[in-house]
Amino acid sequence: GNSVTQMEGPVTLSEEAFLTINCTYTATGYPSLFWYVQYPGEGLQLLLKATKADDKGSNKGFEATYRKETTSFHLEKGSVQVSDSAVYFCALSDGNTGGFKTIFGAGTRLFVKA
Amino acid sequence: NAGVTQTPKFQVLKTGQSMTLQCAQDMNHNSMYWYRQDPGMGLRLIYYSASEGTTDKGEVPNGYNVSRLNKREFSLRLESAAPSQTSVYFCASRPDSLGPKAFFGQGTRLTVV
Repeated sequence: GNSVTQMEGPVTLSEEAFLTINCTYTATGYPSLFWYVQYPGEGLQLLLKATKADDKGSNKGFEATYRKETTSFHLEKGSVQVSDSAVYFCALSDGNTGGFKTIFGAGTRLFVKA
Repeated sequence: NAGVTQTPKFQVLKTGQSMTLQCAQDMNHNSMYWYRQDPGMGLRLIYYSASEGTTDKGEVPNGYNVSRLNKREFSLRLESAAPSQTSVYFCASRPDSLGPKAFFGQGTRLTVV
């Protein structure tokens, strides 16, 4: 079945460091891929998305490219800020199931130190 | 600008007690969802409702029931709470099943002792 695998956290970085959070997936067909962010005490918010191979999603300085050949959707940011401290979830939405059964990765907690 | 509203935010239950988690959205969305979030496991789908009047099981439906009361509201009921149901519960909605963007509530932290 479909699945999403994220790198385990927590990830601890200093402010202005480069961030990469790895995400790989297993799916049949052509899923859409997402990154969600969860700030402390809040629900999840969509951070960025990509709906087909080679698409690049971007938002708030974060980027991720849909790589079908490596089944990956790694999240990157060139210079993190303390305010980026949160839990990041990679997710997959399979069009074959009508998009209902979005599958989430386990989440990666990011701590950014000043 | 309420979006998705869940109540309560926190709840402690004794084993065997029942309770209902409420969820309402004011965005006229067709699809609504209930997830549970457990450490190391991400979010897992409990039940979803594609449209008013329909509900379907997700990945982990056992021990739960749902009601899509109307287009706005989608409640999750625990008939006889168990410690294994200690979790954070999130309600979400989407305009339709194929829309990529889901809107989430703030979550309900449930502890069953």
